[in-house]
Amino acid sequence: EVQLVESGGALVKPGGSLRLSCEASGFTFSNVWMSWVRQAPGKGLEWVGRIKRISDGGPTDYAAPVKGRFTISRDDSRDTLSLQMNSLKTEDTAVYYCTAGLGKSDTDYWGQGTLVTVSS
Amino acid sequence: DIVLTQSPDSLAVSLGERATINCKSSQSVLYSFNNKTLLAWYQKKPGQPPKQLIYSASIRDFGVPDRFSGSGSGTDFTLTISSLQAEDVAVYYCQQYYGTPPAFGGGTKVEIK
Repeated sequence: EVQLVESGGALVKPGGSLRLSCEASGFTFSNVWMSWVRQAPGKGLEWVGRIKRISDGGPTDYAAPVKGRFTISRDDSRDTLSLQMNSLKTEDTAVYYCTAGLGKSDTDYWGQGTLVTVSS
Repeated sequence: DIVLTQSPDSLAVSLGERATINCKSSQSVLYSFNNKTLLAWYQKKPGQPPKQLIYSASIRDFGVPDRFSGSGSGTDFTLTISSLQAEDVAVYYCQQYYGTPPAFGGGTKVEIK
């Protein structure tokens, strides 16, 4: 069974940093493109960024609002995806979902999400 | 960037009736290399993660009831719920995974009339 478990969500002040993690199981993590998607309160779904397989060179892509502030990385030895968030803004407040693309679309499977609140 | 425009923003449908949601893309999402249309539909309920219903525009994901169907090609797509059930109350999103960023539509809220 595919499982994605996010952790690390917290209340942080504007300008602060936070690191989210996603532990994956039930599939061969190293073979899969992984993404982060967020949903701000009362808003729609917003793609944050993704990391391709190491065998593809492991390139990353980011949405314009987070480029230069957020960094996605992966540790295939631990089946773990990370999202390092720096220079956080109030508009980054959202539930952050870890997703896996297992061959149907880019985001076939989703974790339960972790809440990040940026507020003074 | 590819922009997806969903319509309507919300709709209220009687139980057992048909619900139709539209998604228009600013450019084609047909991947000519394998002739697949790179568009998916998701259902989002409060407090739950999104659930993929449809991928490749028209293929129902595993376990999705057959009252959900996806259709369309090129730039115009439709999600149809043939006979609305109470458990279908949710917000529905289309997403293209052809271009980067793989954007979502704005969402359509489906309620019971």
